[in-house]
Amino acid sequence: NAGVTQTPKFQVLKTGQSMTLQCAQDMNHNSMYWYRQDPGMGLRLIYYSASEGTTDKGEVPNGYNVSRLNKREFSLRLESAAPSQTSVYFCASSELAEALQGYTFGSGTRLTVV
Amino acid sequence: AQSVAQPEDQVNVAEGNPLTVKCTYSVSGNPYLFWYVQYPNRGLQFLLKYITGDNLVKGSYGFEAEFNKSQTSFHLKKPSALVSDSALYFCAVRDSTGGFKTIFGAGTRLFVKA
Repeated sequence: NAGVTQTPKFQVLKTGQSMTLQCAQDMNHNSMYWYRQDPGMGLRLIYYSASEGTTDKGEVPNGYNVSRLNKREFSLRLESAAPSQTSVYFCASSELAEALQGYTFGSGTRLTVV
Repeated sequence: AQSVAQPEDQVNVAEGNPLTVKCTYSVSGNPYLFWYVQYPNRGLQFLLKYITGDNLVKGSYGFEAEFNKSQTSFHLKKPSALVSDSALYFCAVRDSTGGFKTIFGAGTRLFVKA
């Protein structure tokens, strides 16, 4: 099925470890986003990429880096994981940065940092 | 700055009864408004949007939402609730003058009892 694919689905890290969350979309969308979801706080934007070759910070970028590898792929890297980064991470895409058709979301990565 | 509020953490309704999930927003320019639904262990799914035009917008699964500019609200409604509607619902807003960032509410959990 067409859509947004995230890997891995689950991950446990020790404090200080690094990892990369992968995201790929096959809908030929131009814009991609990384959100984190925490109880009672909804979704908060970490980074986004309006188009291939560009990335910008969202609301909560500290402790994260991103790479827009090509039009299909947008990865999120935690260089030195902290317990405060325990969350569910969602990748999303939209045809255009204006996102007037809404986003298509992946199924999420549940990350626990111990 | 743009913001969105969902004043109810949880809404309980009996199957067959009408349901309303509330959302209010604050933006500087014109609002672009969205509703998403999240089922357990899944990503968010787009339900409906208001960009411009008729204040009553219809979306997926029989849901509709009413845009009220004077009350800065965008409540989600359904005439007859189903048990399968039980899920987490998110309202989201983007300011027409605020770049590409979409802000999500904290979410409202809907329980529909048989």
